[in-house]
Amino acid sequence: EVQLEESGGDLVQPGGSLRLSCAASGFTFSSSWMYWVRQAPGKGLEWVATIKADGIWKYYVGSVKGRFTISRDNARNSLYLQMNTLRVDDTAVYYCVKDVPGSGWSFDCWGQGTLVTVSS
Amino acid sequence: QSALTQPPSASGSPGQSVIISCSGTSSDVGGYDYVSWYQQHPGKAPKLMIYEVNKRPSGVPDRFSGSKSGNTASLTVSGLQAEDEADYYCSSYAGNNVIFGGGTKLTVL
Repeated sequence: EVQLEESGGDLVQPGGSLRLSCAASGFTFSSSWMYWVRQAPGKGLEWVATIKADGIWKYYVGSVKGRFTISRDNARNSLYLQMNTLRVDDTAVYYCVKDVPGSGWSFDCWGQGTLVTVSS
Repeated sequence: QSALTQPPSASGSPGQSVIISCSGTSSDVGGYDYVSWYQQHPGKAPKLMIYEVNKRPSGVPDRFSGSKSGNTASLTVSGLQAEDEADYYCSSYAGNNVIFGGGTKLTVL
């Protein structure tokens, strides 16, 4: 069974940093593109970042470029999101997501999400 | 890039059919056959219902179907059931990024 489990969400002050982690199991993590998608309270879904299977190519939504870094450790089946210079509008549930291979970034498995709250 | 445009709400009675639209541009919906639809119940993670415009993942009832014409995609839910009441989001690949719609709250009357 495919499983994704996020951790690391917390309350942080504006300008602060946080690192989210995602533990993956039940599929060949090292061959899978991985993603972070977020959802602000009461709002819709927003794609945040993508990392290719080999960890070399990475893509970000414009609002987080230069502040967030997606990374992975294929030996540990783990995905990460380093978030720096956090802003109030980064407050959201962050989901670790896996795609349907070759499907144009269609997301078939989601973690339960971890809540990041940015507030003073 | 702007979010895809969905109606904020839709409704239907049990057994009826409902169509939810998702409007984009030639840079996203119209440019790729990579439209997906997600169902989200309150407090839960989204669930993939349709991918690549009209493909259903294993386990998704065939009451759910997708289509696309030009820059607009649609999700049809036939034979509405009470458990279909949820938020529905469309998404489209847009060239090294993905854009979501604002979501549609489907109410089963």
